[in-house]
Amino acid sequence: EAGVAQSPRYKIIEKRQSVAFWCNPISGHATLYWYQQILGQGPKLLIQFQNNGVVDDSQLPKDRFSAERLKGVDSTLKIQPAKLEDSAVYLCASSLYYEQYFGPGTRLTVT
Amino acid sequence: QQQVKQSPQSLIVQKGGISIINCAYENTAFDYFPWYQQFPGKGPALLIAIRPDVSEKKEGRFTISFNKSAKQFSLHIMDSQPGDSATYFCAARGGGATNKLIFGTGTLLAVQP
Repeated sequence: EAGVAQSPRYKIIEKRQSVAFWCNPISGHATLYWYQQILGQGPKLLIQFQNNGVVDDSQLPKDRFSAERLKGVDSTLKIQPAKLEDSAVYLCASSLYYEQYFGPGTRLTVT
Repeated sequence: QQQVKQSPQSLIVQKGGISIINCAYENTAFDYFPWYQQFPGKGPALLIAIRPDVSEKKEGRFTISFNKSAKQFSLHIMDSQPGDSATYFCAARGGGATNKLIFGTGTLLAVQP
């Protein structure tokens, strides 16, 4: 079974620029998550989708971050404009029930 | 109340020894406690998980011990191997409609040959 796919794997941008990340979950997984993992910390949930509806986006900085999951499969996370403190690994995960399976992540560096 | 406290921050164990990582929580609504293993440059991988109605779960060399009254749980890695060297995260599910995981701060384990 193929795992969670993410792209790009690495991205370097300047502050105030925009960036987008893509995620393809495990086939059949209705729930998709975006987490932010700052160096040396555990992942922090940004947003959770159930099919194409948002379940939890309480920790998403909505003034600069947006996410969508069209057709209930792939998802994109966008940051516009980026700040230095957005430098982190952005992890996508998916689940069928409780168990969440993570992709390899996108390492974002904002200079 | 939404925190999961993890210790130690780092751990060095000799090959063949037992690695023990501890976590504590406050929120009694948490209903599922997974452990994740993360290698550099990789996403977290689910290792083992437990529900609060069970006091212990074992899978191969990995065991979770769960103390509901103390609101603590721990990961034991028996016969630790150099290949186990990684960062380990405990987590707790928030309960209710959301499947949100609250992660600990991680433990960097180094198993020396």
